[in-house]
Amino acid sequence: EVQLVESGGGLVQPGGSLRLSCAGSGFTFSSYWMHWIRQAPGKGLVWVARMSTDGSTITYADSVKGRFSISRDNAKNTLYLQMNSLRVEDTALYYCTRNPITDEAHWGQGTLVTVSS
Amino acid sequence: EIVMTQSPATLSVSPGERATLSCRASQSVDSNLAWFQQKPGQAPRLLMSVASTRATGIPARFSGSGSGTEFTLTISGLQSEDFAHYFCLQYNNWPWTFGQGTKVEIK
Repeated sequence: EVQLVESGGGLVQPGGSLRLSCAGSGFTFSSYWMHWIRQAPGKGLVWVARMSTDGSTITYADSVKGRFSISRDNAKNTLYLQMNSLRVEDTALYYCTRNPITDEAHWGQGTLVTVSS
Repeated sequence: EIVMTQSPATLSVSPGERATLSCRASQSVDSNLAWFQQKPGQAPRLLMSVASTRATGIPARFSGSGSGTEFTLTISGLQSEDFAHYFCLQYNNWPWTFGQGTKVEIK
């Protein structure tokens, strides 16, 4: 069974940092492009970042460029999102997703990040 | 960045009726448009990609149309499990951008 399990969320003060992890299982993790997508409470979806299978291609949303860094460890079947200089507006449920626009799409259940003083 | 605008924000429909949801792009996205369904407490589920191709397992009562800047998701014969939020996503240009969503509620 394909599974994506996010972790690392929590409460952090503005300006702080967090590192999210997404552990994949039940599939060949290294064969898939991976994405982070977030959703503020009661709001819509916002695409955050993506990374190619080997990490050679990375793209970020403008709102997080320079503050967030996506990475992966294919040996550990894990995707990461390092979030620095966090802002109140970064508060959201963060999903990791596999190929979200294909029949192979799979989403985790998300990890909640709350940025507040 | 391409802005995606969905209308209406809320659609009240009786079970068995048809629901028509719209999604407009601020510039052409060709047919690179996907639709997602999301229920409370759940992750989104892909319904449609390439504007009109149903994802595996999606019932035929869901249909998509459009290209360029105007897109429509039609749900024919609404069933109880179809009452949910629906989001469109353009993946023609980076960054990918979602519409703000349409809530389909029971009338």
